[in-house]
Amino acid sequence: GQQLNQSPQSMFIQEGEDVSMNCTSSSIFNTWLWYKQDPGEGPVLLIALYKAGELTSNGRLTAQFGITRKDSFLNISASIPSDVGIYFCAGQLSTGANNLFFGTGTRLTVIP
Amino acid sequence: DSGVTQTPKHLITATGQRVTLRCSPRSGDLSVYWYQQSLDQGLQFLIQYYNGEERAKGNILERFSAQQFPDLHSELNLSSLELGDSALYFCASSGGGVSEQFFGPGTRLTVL
Repeated sequence: GQQLNQSPQSMFIQEGEDVSMNCTSSSIFNTWLWYKQDPGEGPVLLIALYKAGELTSNGRLTAQFGITRKDSFLNISASIPSDVGIYFCAGQLSTGANNLFFGTGTRLTVIP
Repeated sequence: DSGVTQTPKHLITATGQRVTLRCSPRSGDLSVYWYQQSLDQGLQFLIQYYNGEERAKGNILERFSAQQFPDLHSELNLSSLELGDSALYFCASSGGGVSEQFFGPGTRLTVL
């Protein structure tokens, strides 16, 4: 299957700091998605991106669909303790594709 | 609460056994997806059903099978279980495209 590489694998930051993480692939994706997973829960969709170059915000979260269509970025501004969790990127290869490929995740720890 | 329910929440069984995981999609969603998440890994797509029919297959082992019933709930059957099958199994449902999936809380399977 497709390999989506996320970095960093984990992050420890102080409350109030900004966070950046990214996801890269050797393949071109048609759609990029960012999910957050809390312990013991299923992933929750944060942001969906459908067009190369697209920049979309959801509150303090901003994600971008890379111009090459092989990468995507997620930024979290002014982090708070409830931002703790694992962030996953996911991609859809083509419009009609029936499955998503998920990245390996970035584990975020926010220190109060 | 995503509206997707999964039972049981936890399952402990022995190698060689067979188990059935159950998923009820959100009201009105016709698509059900199954994913496997091993420890600290991303989600691996297993299989998708749409309105009772298999629509897409991912990295699903031959020992695993799934079905979707007329009331749209789905079951994932895992047989001849091995230690390596221990994982979180998530179900997601969608009423639109694959990018609009809502995940259930998961079933944690432990094979001893």
